[in-house]
Amino acid sequence: QVQLVESGGGVVQPGESLRLSCAASGFTFSGYGMHWVRQAPGKGLEWVAFIRYDTNIKYYADSVKDRFIISRDNSKNTLYLQMNSLRAEDTAIYYCAKDQALRYFDVWGQGTLVTVSS
Amino acid sequence: ETVMTQSPATLSVSPGERATLSCRASQTISSNLAWYQQKPGQAPRLLIYGASTRASGIPARFSGSGSGTEFTLTISSLQSEDFAVYYCQQYNNWPPLTFGGGTKVEIK
Repeated sequence: QVQLVESGGGVVQPGESLRLSCAASGFTFSGYGMHWVRQAPGKGLEWVAFIRYDTNIKYYADSVKDRFIISRDNSKNTLYLQMNSLRAEDTAIYYCAKDQALRYFDVWGQGTLVTVSS
Repeated sequence: ETVMTQSPATLSVSPGERATLSCRASQTISSNLAWYQQKPGQAPRLLIYGASTRASGIPARFSGSGSGTEFTLTISSLQSEDFAVYYCQQYNNWPPLTFGGGTKVEIK
């Protein structure tokens, strides 16, 4: 059974850092690109970042560029999102999602909530 | 950036009726469009990709159509489990991948 499980969310103050993890199982993790997508409370979906299966390509949304870093450890079947200089507008549920052919998201995790508040 | 616009924002439909949701792209995206369903408290679920191909396990009452800039998701006969928010997403011009603002399908 294909599964993605996020962890690492919590409450932080503006300017602080947080690292999210996404544990993958049920598929060959090292063969697929992975994304982070977020959803602010009561709002729509926003794509955040992408990493190719071999880590050689990484893309970011302008809203997080230079603050967030996507990475992965294929030996641990785990995706990460290092979030630095957090702002109130980064408050959201963060989902990891499996990429399908550099196109859409065919598997989603259950999400982890990040709250940035003083 | 390709902006995706969904309409209407809310659609009130009775069970058993047909629902038609629209999605418009600010520039042509060929057929590079996906649809997702999201129920309260849950992650999104892939319904349609390639504008018209149903994902694995998706019932035949869900159908997608369109190409270029205009797309439609049709639910032929709404079941109780179909009341949810639906998002379109383009993957023709990225980064960034972009979503529409969503259409909430509610019980009339």
